[in-house]
Amino acid sequence: AQKVTQAQTEISVVEKEDVTLDCVYETRDTTYYLFWYKQPPSGELVFLIRRNSFDEQNEISGRYSWNFQKSTSSFNFTITASQVVDSAVYFCALYLSNTGNQFYFGTGTSLTVIP
Amino acid sequence: DTGVSQDPRHKITKRGQNVTFRCDPISEHNRLYWYRQTLGQGPEFLTYFQNEAQLEKSRLLSDRFSAERPKGSFSTLEIQRTEQGDSAMYLCASSSGTRPYEQYFGPGTRLTVT
Repeated sequence: AQKVTQAQTEISVVEKEDVTLDCVYETRDTTYYLFWYKQPPSGELVFLIRRNSFDEQNEISGRYSWNFQKSTSSFNFTITASQVVDSAVYFCALYLSNTGNQFYFGTGTSLTVIP
Repeated sequence: DTGVSQDPRHKITKRGQNVTFRCDPISEHNRLYWYRQTLGQGPEFLTYFQNEAQLEKSRLLSDRFSAERPKGSFSTLEIQRTEQGDSAMYLCASSSGTRPYEQYFGPGTRLTVT
């Protein structure tokens, strides 16, 4: 069975602090994609980052960075120097190419950045 | 490219009424997906179309739910005899067939059943 776990339900940080959002996934498939989406109060899901299962290289994109470790089935996401506009719910998601072409989302982490 | 649009953005209905939502995908995308998101949860897959063919349906899609994509462009999701448990955000997404993992989401329709 496929599952995505985001153990942190709510996080509050003070502006300019770094914050890491945790994500653990479960799948028996060897080919998959992992995503982070942001959902502001307006409701629309905004794509942030994607990684495929064959590429564990960690990267930095602006203030965003991610740490993908297949050994621990984790795909953590870090925002550096947080800003008030980063306040939103963040979802980690698993996409399986061979099973239904659908996303499996975690329950989300609500991030509040305090000015 | 205007992105994925959904109409209406909000719908309040009384229990037992029927409701219909519309989704207009990105024009060049041949795949269209429906998801449901309840409060405090992540989106859950309901169904998807490739062109006009409905290729997969989740067990969440009870017989009161029906989705169509008659001309392979826009799609409608109808809920008959609504129940309070149907209150949720209904999200639509679209993608190309070659990159189905690149799903672009619409703003959603928030349904409240009273």
